[in-house]
Amino acid sequence: NAGVMQNPRHLVRRRGQEARLRCSPMKGHSHVYWYRQLPEEGLKFMVYLQKENIIDESGMPKERFSAEFPKEGPSILRIQQVVRGDSAAYFCASATNQETQYFGPGTRLLVL
Amino acid sequence: EDKVVQSPLSLVVHEGDTVTLNCSYEVTNFRSLLWYKQEKKAPTFLFMLTSSGIEKKSGRLSSILDKKELFSILNITATQTGDSAIYLCAGEDNAGNMLTFGGGTRLMVKP
Repeated sequence: NAGVMQNPRHLVRRRGQEARLRCSPMKGHSHVYWYRQLPEEGLKFMVYLQKENIIDESGMPKERFSAEFPKEGPSILRIQQVVRGDSAAYFCASATNQETQYFGPGTRLLVL
Repeated sequence: EDKVVQSPLSLVVHEGDTVTLNCSYEVTNFRSLLWYKQEKKAPTFLFMLTSSGIEKKSGRLSSILDKKELFSILNITATQTGDSAIYLCAGEDNAGNMLTFGGGTRLMVKP
């Protein structure tokens, strides 16, 4: 049973470009959470999705960030017009319900 | 491939008991070991450990790191029902903020 998969593991973008981060939940999991970890800080919740629905996006910046979890395929966290401050590690976690979350290996985004 | 393993997977105790949660790690270019408490949504940060043998304490919680044996423990004394949660540990690499999470220990404290 494969764990939570995230790709790419490392992503380098120039300011103004778009970043797309993918998260494939564990088999059978229909809940996905995205977190951001900034240097020297803890995990910060961004968004919680179930299949085709955004349940809670209270931690998501209002502009440039969006997330989706389509019926088929991975969950996508999309950052438009990236800025240097977006450089961070982005983790997703999946769950069968609102209980145990299993974390993926993360994507490190570096904005030049 | 970096790996973090936590034990036990789950634990049921009664209020007032003391519990010890274990975390072993294999992290290339290891920098620190972090403990989190997860109840509802985002994990809550508990401790960051970078040096061996130095106990960190916060109320009834304490944690220590052994960099020679590559493990850490989290102790909770005089447990309360509010301690019921999933406890996660994660190894951080030297390059910065990449974490490898363990599978967590689910703690249930009964009244």
